[in-house]
Amino acid sequence: QTVVTQEPSFSVSPGGTVTLTCGLSSGSVSASHYPSWYQQTPGQPPRTLIYSTNTRSSGVPDRFSGSIVGNKAALTITGAQADDESDFFCVLYMGSGSFVFGTGTKVTVL
Amino acid sequence: QVQVVESGGGVVQPGRSLRLSCAASGFTFSSYGMHWVRQAPGKGLEWVAVIWYDGSKKYYAESVKGRVTISRDNSKNTLFLQMNTLRAEDTAVYYCATWGSAWSIDNWGQGTLVTVSS
Repeated sequence: QTVVTQEPSFSVSPGGTVTLTCGLSSGSVSASHYPSWYQQTPGQPPRTLIYSTNTRSSGVPDRFSGSIVGNKAALTITGAQADDESDFFCVLYMGSGSFVFGTGTKVTVL
Repeated sequence: QVQVVESGGGVVQPGRSLRLSCAASGFTFSSYGMHWVRQAPGKGLEWVAVIWYDGSKKYYAESVKGRVTISRDNSKNTLFLQMNTLRAEDTAVYYCATWGSAWSIDNWGQGTLVTVSS
């Protein structure tokens, strides 16, 4: 069973920078997993932030950026704002029509 | 604008069945693959199933394979999720979403809550 791991939580100061990662329990994340990132606030559906590693979805501010760092996908928030306080999830495409969500990271801005 | 609206959730006893629906509007439904994703109370997101734009291919998470069937009616712009032999661990908000760019998931609905309890 494939497990996609993310940090459980991160804290960042307003205006600060934080990098969240998305890794595989076995193996490395690459562009061929088409990593995507989603933001979710309590009681709301997820919002698509990034797809195909580093392409921002329509309307997403450029303080959000995606990349591959080492053997993991990464989401960087540069200049964090109070309303960035959310849960963030990654998704990897595992091939053969199968997708796996990461465990999620709760980001606190304080 | 693109909109997907889920319905059909509710309280159901263990072992029973339930069919969820997702009504799509604001886009050419028959041109898009569609996903179901679920979220148990207080937990993370779990991908459930995907169906190709024409219904020709369907894929499922291992946790639901054999108990769940995804289908669509392109003439009615509607996506379905038939869930059988429901278990307590199937309790979740079920989201419908479109196939986004480059193997992503996009245009999420508000979700419908399924509670499996006796």
